[in-house]
Formats: sequence, C-alpha cells, structure tokens
Amino acid sequence: QKEVEQDPGPLSVPEGAIVSLNCTYSNSAFQYFMWYRQYSRKGPELLMYTYSSGNKEDGRFTAQVDKSSKYISLFIRDSQPSDSATYLCARPWGGKLIFGQGTELSVKP
Amino acid sequence: SAVISQKPSRDICQRGTSLTIQCQVDSQVTMMFWYRQQPGQSLTLIATANQGSEATYESGFVIDKFPISRPNLTFSTLTVSNMSPEDSSIYLCSVITGVGGNTIYFGEGSWLTVV
Repeated sequence: QKEVEQDPGPLSVPEGAIVSLNCTYSNSAFQYFMWYRQYSRKGPELLMYTYSSGNKEDGRFTAQVDKSSKYISLFIRDSQPSDSATYLCARPWGGKLIFGQGTELSVKP
Repeated sequence: SAVISQKPSRDICQRGTSLTIQCQVDSQVTMMFWYRQQPGQSLTLIATANQGSEATYESGFVIDKFPISRPNLTFSTLTVSNMSPEDSSIYLCSVITGVGGNTIYFGEGSWLTVV
C-alpha cells in the first residue's frame, strides 16, 4: 500500500462548482500534510499545509484532515477556470515529500 | 518564501549525451532536493543535495547516472548522464525553508526531452 493515495481523475466540473479533492494515507502517525497545485509543465506551487485534525481555510480553499478515517481533503469553493491544474497531496518527511499521484482538475466556463 | 531559479527551463537532448541542470536559490537553505516527474506521473525524489558532502540517493537512483553538486547553501546542480528517451522528464529542484523549516518550495522545473 502506498503511503499517500489519490484518485488521478481527471475531474471535470462547471465554473462555480464546489470541488472536493481527496487523499488517503496509510499511517495514522502522519500528522502534517501539504497540498500543491501544478499547472501544466510548471513546478508545484504550495497551496496549503495542515497539521493534525480539523480544517484550515485560505480564501476559496479549505483543507481538512480526518485522522479517524485517515482522509485528507481539499475543497475549492466557487471554482474558476484558472483553478484547472493538477492537485497533489503530500506528506513531508525529513524535508522530503511523499506525493500522491495527483488529481487532474478541469473547470469548464 | 524562497525564489528558486532553474536553468535550463527546457531542452531537447540527443541520446547518449549528458546535461547539467542548475538550481539557484535567493537565500541560504540547509536542505535542497532533486525530484523527477515523468510524463503523466507524480513526483519522485532522486536525491538530497548535501552541502560539502556527497548527495544521498533514493532507491533506484545512482550517482553515476545522476551526479549532484552542492558547492554552497544557495546553489546545486544535477547532471543527467548518458541520456535515453526514458529520461525525458521534468526535473525539479526543491528547498525547505520557513519558520521551523516546515515549508517546501519548488523551482519551475527543467523539461528535458531526449530524442
């Protein structure tokens, strides 16, 4: 079992929709997670990081960790075509990152 | 945050040749890493670039194929040696910074196509 698993999609939604992106992780000791956004042929851009359980909000983005189910979620409200990208969840370990497979999101105007 | 510059941003390389990618950071950082992202895949760590000592390679990656230099705290190079089409990937430099060293940033990447 991979440490961090993510549905690769692709996921296509209409503009304005609420998007839910999800990852699962294997080790309940993991507490710190990151979400990156990657546009085509660009480096990943850090969106948010979360620690332990609960929600963290930043503008239209909300990151959520559910330790009981080992589930990580990223919600995007009022999605825009500019949100079209690949979203990667990651677990840091000693400065390194263990990535999920990434979910490709397309927001249609 | 950290500003990370990579060169070249993209290149087309002949089979059997080698190419060196440079990574320059706008501030001193303790830890620098090199990742590879093959087409349609997620990122895989190649190695940790250690300042003043040999790089630490992940399983499946070796120094002869991916020699790395780290002469100071703001600069590193990754060489992809004896390239084959399977080496066509984005190569990304990453640094850890921030309060408590808890934020990890990436360069824009170097897109290599081997023909």
